[in-house]
Amino acid sequence: NAGVTQTPKFRVLKTGQSMTLLCAQDMNHEYMYWYRQDPGMGLRLIHYSVGEGTTAKGEVPDGYNVSRLKKQNFLLGLESAAPSQTSVYFCASSYSTGGPSTDTQYFGPGTRLTVL
Amino acid sequence: RKEVEQDPGPFNVPEGATVAFNCTYSNSASQSFFWYRQDCRKEPKLLMSVYSSGNEDGRFTAQLNRASQYISLLIRDSKLSDSATYLCVVNGMDSSYKLIFGSGTRLLVRP
Repeated sequence: NAGVTQTPKFRVLKTGQSMTLLCAQDMNHEYMYWYRQDPGMGLRLIHYSVGEGTTAKGEVPDGYNVSRLKKQNFLLGLESAAPSQTSVYFCASSYSTGGPSTDTQYFGPGTRLTVL
Repeated sequence: RKEVEQDPGPFNVPEGATVAFNCTYSNSASQSFFWYRQDCRKEPKLLMSVYSSGNEDGRFTAQLNRASQYISLLIRDSKLSDSATYLCVVNGMDSSYKLIFGSGTRLLVRP
């Protein structure tokens, strides 16, 4: 049982390049999330999904797109990377049928992205 | 006002000390409360959920005060391995599954 995995672990991009971050979970969770974490700031929600085939915008969605074609996978895309997108990106998943026992989110190890 | 506010610290304490962190939240309708732990350059991991009656897990005790909208975490007999950033987390205004994370309180335990 691997939990939540993310690929790649590190990446350096040039401004304007595109890339896709992959998140996979083997816990059969319905809900999946993408966050970014910047120094001195809390985790900020980029996009999330409440089930296969659904996605929704979070707090900071601009410049990112997502897809959830399979229940276990959640992809985050950067169409044209900008230096402001330099950050650590975390994926998370949860059951979320309501209440603290199911609202608990489990995180992947993160992707450290630098945009030059 | 931030939805979840924490003192960033750092709290620098000797091994064996007792240390307490507080956190305030703005949404009076929040129902789910957590403390997560995050080690340097690692992912956040659930430390404990926080229940209305308060709960304890070994050396860790969490309390919830709904009237004042704050959550506390008490760590007794601090260990070097407790050095980390502690994130206060509550569920969001518009849905229970969307969690709002505080910026974290950094704890340093010295020998």
